[in-house]
Amino acid sequence: KNEVEQSPQNLTAQEGEFITINCSYSVGISALHWLQQHPGGGIVSLFMLSSGKKKHGRLIATINIQEKHSSLHITASHPRDSAVYICAAAHSGGGADGLTFGKGTHLIIQP
Amino acid sequence: EPEVTQTPSHQVTQMGQEVILRCVPISNHLYFYWYRQILGQKVEFLVSFYNNEISEKSEIFDDQFSVERPDGSNFTLKIRSTKLEDSAMYFCASSEQPRRMNTEAFFGQGTRLTVV
Repeated sequence: KNEVEQSPQNLTAQEGEFITINCSYSVGISALHWLQQHPGGGIVSLFMLSSGKKKHGRLIATINIQEKHSSLHITASHPRDSAVYICAAAHSGGGADGLTFGKGTHLIIQP
Repeated sequence: EPEVTQTPSHQVTQMGQEVILRCVPISNHLYFYWYRQILGQKVEFLVSFYNNEISEKSEIFDDQFSVERPDGSNFTLKIRSTKLEDSAMYFCASSEQPRRMNTEAFFGQGTRLTVV
């Protein structure tokens, strides 16, 4: 059974700070998703990655398959980045369609 | 930009009643999913659906739950006799390829179900 752990659970930072959220998983995966959940509850997909690094605007996601670890970075953070960030793992084994989610990191960026 | 649409956004129901949560997946997607998130907890996988049948379900998805694609556009989750512990946010998702093919996930905005 794949366990997905995120840290920190809560993070409060000042506008402009560089943010790092970490995710580790216990078994082999085919892909790792980073998702954003706003206070209203809706979930938006930020990244899907299976190796290396991806960048979109001020967001960067990296993954180290050997270490079973991924990070999400936010550069020049802004109050509108305040949200819950969730990592979710797609299993690499057969018959496993669903994603396994971490508990999320509640990020607050203060002006 | 195409999106997954869920209705209603919030539903309140009495314990023991049947509820149907509705989803319209992205039109060219073939794989559909339901997830739930109990308040304060992590998102959990319920069921995946492809080619008009369930392809996988979790332990949560017991006989009280069923899914259906009644027409070419809607994908529904039915809870036959709701319990207080069914109160949660329910998310529908869809994808072009199965999850194991490293396909991007597209989620709806969720339906908040409150059982009283």
